[in-house]
Amino acid sequence: QKEVEQDPGPLSVPEGAIVSLNCTYSNSAFQYFMWYRQYSRKGPELLMYTYSSGNKEDGRFTAQVDKSSKYISLFIRDSQPSDSATYLCAMRGQGGSEKLVFGKGTKLTVNP
Amino acid sequence: DSGVTQTPKHLITATGQRVTLRCSPRSGDLSVYWYQQSLDQGLQFLIQYYNGEERAKGNILERFSAQQFPDLHSELNLSSLELGDSALYFCASSVAPSGAGELFFGEGSRLTVL
Repeated sequence: QKEVEQDPGPLSVPEGAIVSLNCTYSNSAFQYFMWYRQYSRKGPELLMYTYSSGNKEDGRFTAQVDKSSKYISLFIRDSQPSDSATYLCAMRGQGGSEKLVFGKGTKLTVNP
Repeated sequence: DSGVTQTPKHLITATGQRVTLRCSPRSGDLSVYWYQQSLDQGLQFLIQYYNGEERAKGNILERFSAQQFPDLHSELNLSSLELGDSALYFCASSVAPSGAGELFFGEGSRLTVL
């Protein structure tokens, strides 16, 4: 079983839709959870950063972490064509030398 | 623009050859990370340097090596190249020695091995 599982999609939605992106993980030691966005031919950029369980909201984006289920989600409200990108979840443990483990990414297309 | 600079952007070479990828981190960042991204494996951590010293090692092959220089730029050397080494290679940097903070990624070096 891979440490982090993420459905690669692709996911295609109409503009204005609510998008739900998810990852599951197996390592209960993960404490830091992130979502990166990667546009075509670009490097990943940090979108959301959450420590431990709970929700975090930033504009149209909401990140949720459910450690009991080992499940994290990213919701995008009122999706825009500019949200079309690949979204990668990433997570790491508490220790100082813990490496960041990425999901394979979900490719999202928002159609105008 | 993340502030992380990678060169070259594209590289085409033949099996058995050796290439060097270069990364300049953001100003003030002491940590440099190298990642390999392929369609089937996703983003895989290779190695991290902090202020010139190797800090953490991931799935880096013995044919690959890296170093960080006193001016903090880093180079990833890939030798005895195989077809399967074709991938995007990303460099990322951060201020902290650990991976707790945000990683800033460059735009990547696309390596094609023919």
